[in-house]
Amino acid sequence: SQTIHQWPATLVQPVGSPLSLECTVEGTSNPNLYWYRQAAGRGLQLLFYSVGIGQISSEVPQNLSASRPQDRQFILSSKKLLLSDSGFYLCAWSVRGGGVEQYFGPGTRLTVT
Amino acid sequence: AQSVAQPEDQVNVAEGNPLTVKCTYSVSGNPYLFWYVQYPNRGLQFLLKYITGDNLVKGSYGFEAEFNKSQTSFHLKKPSALVSDSALYFCAVRDKRYSSASKIIFGSGTRLSIRP
Repeated sequence: SQTIHQWPATLVQPVGSPLSLECTVEGTSNPNLYWYRQAAGRGLQLLFYSVGIGQISSEVPQNLSASRPQDRQFILSSKKLLLSDSGFYLCAWSVRGGGVEQYFGPGTRLTVT
Repeated sequence: AQSVAQPEDQVNVAEGNPLTVKCTYSVSGNPYLFWYVQYPNRGLQFLLKYITGDNLVKGSYGFEAEFNKSQTSFHLKKPSALVSDSALYFCAVRDKRYSSASKIIFGSGTRLSIRP
């Protein structure tokens, strides 16, 4: 069966520090991968998605970037965090070329102080 | 533009009573619709989906959803609520503008509270 991991689970970082969040998927190949941010426990905002290694699409201009160095690894980064980057970050995957639903990881709670 | 709307921020139901969480959609053509549930500080869990076929879709944990094309609705239902059903529920629709990625548009969420 497929499993999606995210780490760290929680992170407290000062303003201006760098960020790296990691997401990995097990049990499937060639997945589509997604990064979301959820603010205030409500709506989800799609940040990035990827349909293959090195292929990243950005949904909103912002202080963050994403990379996909391996087929089942998706990384969310920032060079300098802002207070507004605080939130709950969720990674998700879907089957490429046929799957419609997405499956989510456990999330990372980021607090920028 | 494609969208989903969840008109209720919060739904309160007594344990053992039936529950309904409402969702309406706006999509050109035939919609792909989903329901997800989120427990506190956890990721979203997929409950069920409608692609085509029977208008009544059965999902996980005893939930079902009814697709109504004339009313453009996809309400989530359960015959008998449990306290453990208390969570945040999201309705979602596939964004058909993208064929290579399964992009989904989420509603704003409805908080379901089941009282003992």
